[in-house]
Amino acid sequence: AQTVTQSQPEMSVQEAETVTLSCTYDTSESDYYLFWYKQPPSRQMILVIRQEAYKQQNATENRFSVNFQKAAKSFSLKISDSQLGDAAMYFCAYRSEWNTGNQFYFGTGTSLTVIP
Amino acid sequence: DSGVTQTPKHLITATGQRVTLRCSPRSGDLSVYWYQQSLDQGLQFLIQYYNGEERAKGNILERFSAQQFPDLHSELNLSSLELGDSALYFCASSGEGDTQYFGPGTRLTVL
Repeated sequence: AQTVTQSQPEMSVQEAETVTLSCTYDTSESDYYLFWYKQPPSRQMILVIRQEAYKQQNATENRFSVNFQKAAKSFSLKISDSQLGDAAMYFCAYRSEWNTGNQFYFGTGTSLTVIP
Repeated sequence: DSGVTQTPKHLITATGQRVTLRCSPRSGDLSVYWYQQSLDQGLQFLIQYYNGEERAKGNILERFSAQQFPDLHSELNLSSLELGDSALYFCASSGEGDTQYFGPGTRLTVL
């Protein structure tokens, strides 16, 4: 089974600064999707960004961007100009393109604190 | 708003009881997933249904069961409840080759 590892249980960043959250995964597949989800104190799971493995270009959504290194099986999330509202738990997730179950695999999460 | 609805939002019950959680996926989504999230924990995948059929099973206890109905809504049944079953239960849905969207969750408290 695929595994997703987030090695940073907690991170902090000063407001307006940049922070990078790490994620690595293990797979033998060549086609798949990767996601970052945000879970603020409300506990709602919110999609932040997604990346298709066949695309070499890194995905970007406003202040959020990823650094996707397919060979290294790395998928880090960069948050620029951090805001207080970015404080949340961030989960990295993997989804197989060909997995008949279309199962998603989640990391254990990184808790991000934004310091005013 | 993700388009995924879950009811009820909160549920308080006693040990040994049985409860049913309900989920309606986004319009057009055939896949429904159930997750359990205990306090300060990550997401534990329980089970997935696709168009009424079970597709994948995770760490789901035998006391738990689920089904997906012809109208694609899904129910998660939890029986013989224990204190440790207290958690946030998420439902998510996805379409083919698409992203997983989460409902707001049902917070279950077992006393």
